[in-house]
Amino acid sequence: RKEVEQDPGPFNVPEGATVAFNCTYSNSASQSFFWYRQDCRKEPKLLMSVYSSGNEDGRFTAQLNRASQYISLLIRDSKLSDSATYLCVVMTGGSYIPTFGRGTSLIVHP
Amino acid sequence: ETGVTQTPRHLVMGMTNKKSLKCEQHLGHNAMYWYKQSAKKPLELMFVYNFKEQTENNSVPSRFSPECPNSSHLFLHLHTLQPEDSALYLCASSPGTSVQETQYFGPGTRLLVL
Repeated sequence: RKEVEQDPGPFNVPEGATVAFNCTYSNSASQSFFWYRQDCRKEPKLLMSVYSSGNEDGRFTAQLNRASQYISLLIRDSKLSDSATYLCVVMTGGSYIPTFGRGTSLIVHP
Repeated sequence: ETGVTQTPRHLVMGMTNKKSLKCEQHLGHNAMYWYKQSAKKPLELMFVYNFKEQTENNSVPSRFSPECPNSSHLFLHLHTLQPEDSALYLCASSPGTSVQETQYFGPGTRLLVL
């Protein structure tokens, strides 16, 4: 089983739609979780950290489910500019080696 | 944004060439990283430096040789590469190396090995 798994997509949604991605991780000792966004031919940039209590930033909501070992990202009212690849990142305590998922591609169309 | 810069942005090299990639961060961070991003694969961490000391070598072949002269600069020396080494090489930095650190990436060097 891969350490961090994501559905590569693409998720093709109309503007205004709500879309959700999941990311599963295999190491139960994982401690820190992040969502990064990577635009085509650009570098990854932090979108948000994922806290145990869940967190929200505008139209974006991230949640952590430790029991089932997955994190999720919900995007409400999708914009054309949300089109990108969303990378899930997991870090394990005692190790500062971040493990990246292969990313989920989102395409928002008019 | 110019927090983390990388040069060159594009590089084409033959298998017998020697070249170097350069990364510079202007964020006052103490940790720097090299990643490889190949098509349809996750980002692969290659090396980690913390306070100029290499703390991780993620089983990278010796044809890749990193150098970190100070906390602001990181190099990746390349020699006798293979075509399968063609990829986007990303440099990143972070304030430290705890599990909560955010990584800031440079724009990458797109490498093609012929």
